[in-house]
Amino acid sequence: TQLLEQSPQFLSIQEGENLTVYCNSSSVFSSLQWYRQEPGEGPVLLVTVVTGGEVKKLKRLTFQFGDARKDSSLHITAAQPGDTGLYLCAGVGTGTASKLTFGTGTRLQVTL
Amino acid sequence: DAGITQSPRHKVTETGTPVTLRCHQTENHRYMYWYRQDPGHGLRLIHYSYGVKDTDKGEVSDGYSVSRSKTEDFLLTLESATSSQTSVYFCAISDRAGLYNEQFFGPGTRLTVL
Repeated sequence: TQLLEQSPQFLSIQEGENLTVYCNSSSVFSSLQWYRQEPGEGPVLLVTVVTGGEVKKLKRLTFQFGDARKDSSLHITAAQPGDTGLYLCAGVGTGTASKLTFGTGTRLQVTL
Repeated sequence: DAGITQSPRHKVTETGTPVTLRCHQTENHRYMYWYRQDPGHGLRLIHYSYGVKDTDKGEVSDGYSVSRSKTEDFLLTLESATSSQTSVYFCAISDRAGLYNEQFFGPGTRLTVL
């Protein structure tokens, strides 16, 4: 069974601060996705990274896929209250079904 | 937003009773998935479908069955609900497998088994 561990589990910061969330595994994934989930809703896809070492930027969010395709990070610059939510990483398996394995999540709260 | 609905959105039931949750999509996506979300476990795959009448088990399939008789509907059945099945259940859809198996999620069903 492939496992994805996220750290930290909880993060409470003030508006304007920077933060990094980590997603680690001992398994290799075909690709890795990041989702954000708000209370009472389903997760929403933010990004997919495919190539080892790949870096993708979406406005203030920077996503990186590890060189060995076993880990990833999400960096948020100048966090805003609208960034508050549960961040989930998900590894796409190498089998034909390409099933997703989700991390346990990082709950982020950004206060004024 | 992808057109996915789940019904019911909330349900309270008693141990031992059968329960069926419905996922309906209007996107004509081939792949459909059922997950459960519990504190400390993230999202775990229960069953998935890769076409009409084509389904397979996920990592936590015991006690659950599924059916997909048409593209737009994917049903999850708890044959005899137990308290350990109290959870939030999410349906997801995708139009491809492989590297870009990007999934769109429904709003979830909160199930409580007393």
